[in-house]
Amino acid sequence: ILNVEQSPQSLHVQEGDSTNFTCSFPSSNFYALHWYRWETAKSPEALFVMTLNGDEKKKGRISATLNTKEGYSYLYIKGSQPEDSATYLCAFIVDNFNKFYFGSGTKLNVKP
Amino acid sequence: DGGITQSPKYLFRKEGQNVTLSCEQNLNHDAMYWYRQDPGQGLRLIYYSQIVNDFQKGDIAEGYSVSREKKESFPLTVTSAQKNPTAFYLCASGTHSGNTIYFGEGSWLTVV
Repeated sequence: ILNVEQSPQSLHVQEGDSTNFTCSFPSSNFYALHWYRWETAKSPEALFVMTLNGDEKKKGRISATLNTKEGYSYLYIKGSQPEDSATYLCAFIVDNFNKFYFGSGTKLNVKP
Repeated sequence: DGGITQSPKYLFRKEGQNVTLSCEQNLNHDAMYWYRQDPGQGLRLIYYSQIVNDFQKGDIAEGYSVSREKKESFPLTVTSAQKNPTAFYLCASGTHSGNTIYFGEGSWLTVV
C-alpha cells in the first residue's frame, strides 16, 4: 500500500485569505497526480490532472503545482470564499494501472 | 443525465448478513472502482475492474466480492467475512490511462 499524505488535516480561514495545502507521495513509479474537491453530501469532483514535473495548473482562483522528483504537490486558493469550503483530496496514480492512491484530504472551512 | 448512481444511499444490516451495494454508470467507461472510507482515513481501494468480466483486488479486498458482467454495472457484496463492514463506500468509473475518475455519491453501510 502506497502512502499519500496530505497536510494540514483541516484548515479554518477567513473569507479573503489565501491558503495552500500539501500532498506528499512516493517519488518512484509516478504516472499522474490528481486533485479532487469534495463538498459535503456531494460526489468528489476533479480539479486538476497533473502529469509532468513542474506542471502548474490553474482554474479561477485555484492553482496547483507538481514536483515529481521530490514527491509533492501544492494546491493554492487565492482569496478564499465560503463556497470553497470542502475537503480537497489528492490521488497518486502509479504507472498506468489505473490504481489511484488517495490521501485523507484537507478539510477547508472558509468563514464569511 | 450522465453519471454514476449508487444505491442504496443508507443501509442497515445485521451482523452475519451479506449485503450488496449497487453501482451503475452510463458514461461508457471501461474502468470501475470501489473505495471505502473510514473516519480520518483516505479512500482505500477495495476492487477495480478495467474491462467487462475482469476485475482485480485492491488493497483491502478481504471480505468483499464483486462482479462485472456488464460494462455499466459493478456491484459490491460485503460478506459476513468482512470484520468491520460499517463504513462509507464510494464507487467510481473512468477511462484508461489515469484520466479523471468520476464518483457516485456514496453508500453508508451500518452493520449492527
